[in-house]
Amino acid sequence: NAGVMQNPRHLVRRRGQEARLRCSPMKGHSHVYWYRQLPEEGLKFMVYLQKENIIDESGMPKERFSAEFPKEGPSILRIQQVVRGDSAAYFCASSPTGTNKNYGYTFGSGTRLTVV
Amino acid sequence: DQQVKQNSPSLSVQEGRISILNCDYTNSMFDYFLWYKKYPAEGPTFLISISSIKDKNEDGRFTVFLNKSAKHLSLHIVPSQPGDSAVYFCAEYGSSNTGKLIFGQGTTLQVKP
Repeated sequence: NAGVMQNPRHLVRRRGQEARLRCSPMKGHSHVYWYRQLPEEGLKFMVYLQKENIIDESGMPKERFSAEFPKEGPSILRIQQVVRGDSAAYFCASSPTGTNKNYGYTFGSGTRLTVV
Repeated sequence: DQQVKQNSPSLSVQEGRISILNCDYTNSMFDYFLWYKKYPAEGPTFLISISSIKDKNEDGRFTVFLNKSAKHLSLHIVPSQPGDSAVYFCAEYGSSNTGKLIFGQGTTLQVKP
């Protein structure tokens, strides 16, 4: 029973490059959330997706960031032209249909992005 | 504007004693508060939750207390064990219907043997 799988675990990019972070939800889960944790801070919501749909992107920076969850394959968080301030841990979480508010979601182990 | 605040960045307790982690919030319209536990280099793991209609929820060594008039909740761990050493986040769903969680800044708990 695989959990939420994120890869890569660690990603190093030079300023100006693109970063692609992948998230495979738990089997049977069709809802995906992305969160970002900056150093010494809590997790901040970025985007909520269902298959082929962006439901809530209120936490996404207006530029350079995009997310998708195609019909087939993992969810992708894409950061174009990365800057040092993008260095953070990015966590993906998944849930089955909707949210069981009593139990929250299952998180992956995260991708640690370092921009040099 | 931080809606969920954990004002103590760190807490150190002796093994076997009680750990009390605190959380304050501003949003009166909530359904559930959740506590997550996070080890280094891992994702957060759900620990325990409490709904707005309760003032206490208990699960083994973990108890969460809710004081709605003070907009305050606390997580009690009794007895504390070295394996409990981790970062603890409180979180609530906010006012949206999309299920996004609003997290506090976290409290790092160290349980000394």
